[in-house]
Amino acid sequence: NAGVTQTPKFQVLKTGQSMTLQCAQDMNHNSMYWYRQDPGMGLRLIYYSASEGTTDKGEVPNGYNVSRLNKREFSLRLESAAPSQTSVYFCASSQGRVQPQHFGDGTRLSIL
Amino acid sequence: QKEVEQNSGPLSVPEGAIASLNCTYSDRGSQSFFWYRQYSGKSPELIMFIYSNGDKEDGRFTAQLNKASQYVSLLIRDSQPSDSATYLCAVNAGSGNTGKLIFGQGTTLQVKP
Repeated sequence: NAGVTQTPKFQVLKTGQSMTLQCAQDMNHNSMYWYRQDPGMGLRLIYYSASEGTTDKGEVPNGYNVSRLNKREFSLRLESAAPSQTSVYFCASSQGRVQPQHFGDGTRLSIL
Repeated sequence: QKEVEQNSGPLSVPEGAIASLNCTYSDRGSQSFFWYRQYSGKSPELIMFIYSNGDKEDGRFTAQLNKASQYVSLLIRDSQPSDSATYLCAVNAGSGNTGKLIFGQGTTLQVKP
């Protein structure tokens, strides 16, 4: 049982490049989330999807877009990467809106 | 700005002692409270969750919630060196039950053999 799977695990980009972070869960969860974690800033919500077909902004959405492809998959796209987006990105999922979230292993992204 | 506050630590306790981790939150509408453990370089791992005032116990862990005082705490009994990690408090962002969590910055726990 894989839980929440994120790809890639590591990525280095140049400023201005674009890329998509992939997330898939096999727990039949309804809600999915994208966070970034920076030293001294804690975990901050970028975007979330309360259910299939819906997406909403979190605390720090600027510079990102998301797609809830189906119930299992929720992707995060950086259209034009900036050094300020260097971070560790975590995807999470939960059965419902008030239930515990379960995290993937993270993507470590560096933008030069 | 809705906030979740934790003492960053480090909190140092001897092996076998009780570790007490505290968290305060600003949003009175919050209804769901979570504790995550995060080892260095790893992802957050759910330890406990609590929805109602009072205590909730699971093995060596006890979560305590006091909504009137807006704090939630985590007690770790018989602390082990393997408990050394950063503990993150997370609170749901109040009304509407959106699922949005606000995380504290975490408390680093060191358990010394």
